[in-house]
Amino acid sequence: EPEVTQTPSHQVTQMGQEVILRCVPISNHLYFYWYRQILGQKVEFLVSFYNNEISEKSEIFDDQFSVERPDGSNFTLKIRSTKLEDSAMYFCASYRDRGQDTQYFGPGTRLTVL
Amino acid sequence: QKEVEQDPGPLSVPEGAIVSLNCTYSNSAFQYFMWYRQYSRKGPELLMYTYSSGNKEDGRFTAQVDKSSKYISLFIRDSQPSDSATYLCAFPGYSGNTPLVFGKGTRLSVIA
Repeated sequence: EPEVTQTPSHQVTQMGQEVILRCVPISNHLYFYWYRQILGQKVEFLVSFYNNEISEKSEIFDDQFSVERPDGSNFTLKIRSTKLEDSAMYFCASYRDRGQDTQYFGPGTRLTVL
Repeated sequence: QKEVEQDPGPLSVPEGAIVSLNCTYSNSAFQYFMWYRQYSRKGPELLMYTYSSGNKEDGRFTAQVDKSSKYISLFIRDSQPSDSATYLCAFPGYSGNTPLVFGKGTRLSVIA
């Protein structure tokens, strides 16, 4: 069964450093998303991406965040200058866009900012 | 009023019990109703999906939606230790591709 994959599974970085989180969505899906989950809190939407551009973003997704689909398979989230409060699980999701379907989530990348 | 309210638990039940998990929501624009299951340090996985009021059954799981009360439930029959996880209700906006709004999740432990 096709699945969303994410790398790395765990990323440790120093405050102020740039990180890139990588995702490979399900191959025939058209919409891509990033969500995050701070430990003990709910899953929160960051950004959605469709047709090679951002379709929607939350107030969390400020100028230090960016997304890119550099080729036909990868979808990345870049955090330019990490802060302690960016420590969280980051989930990538993808959606096919056919009738009654839903978003499929990857296993997540645990980001730890020291 | 929060957009989605879900009792975080934890909820602990003996194996074989019937479990009832609930969410309330305030946004009338929500047309689709989902339950995801999340094991510790894993991504959410879709469990049930419905878009109408009433019941939908899938094996030991039943999703119930009451749009008039803005209340959804997930029932688990004959609960198993493998059902121990956090259960998240989730709502896309007007269609499945819109961002999901999640409840905080209810942590369930099924004790053998």
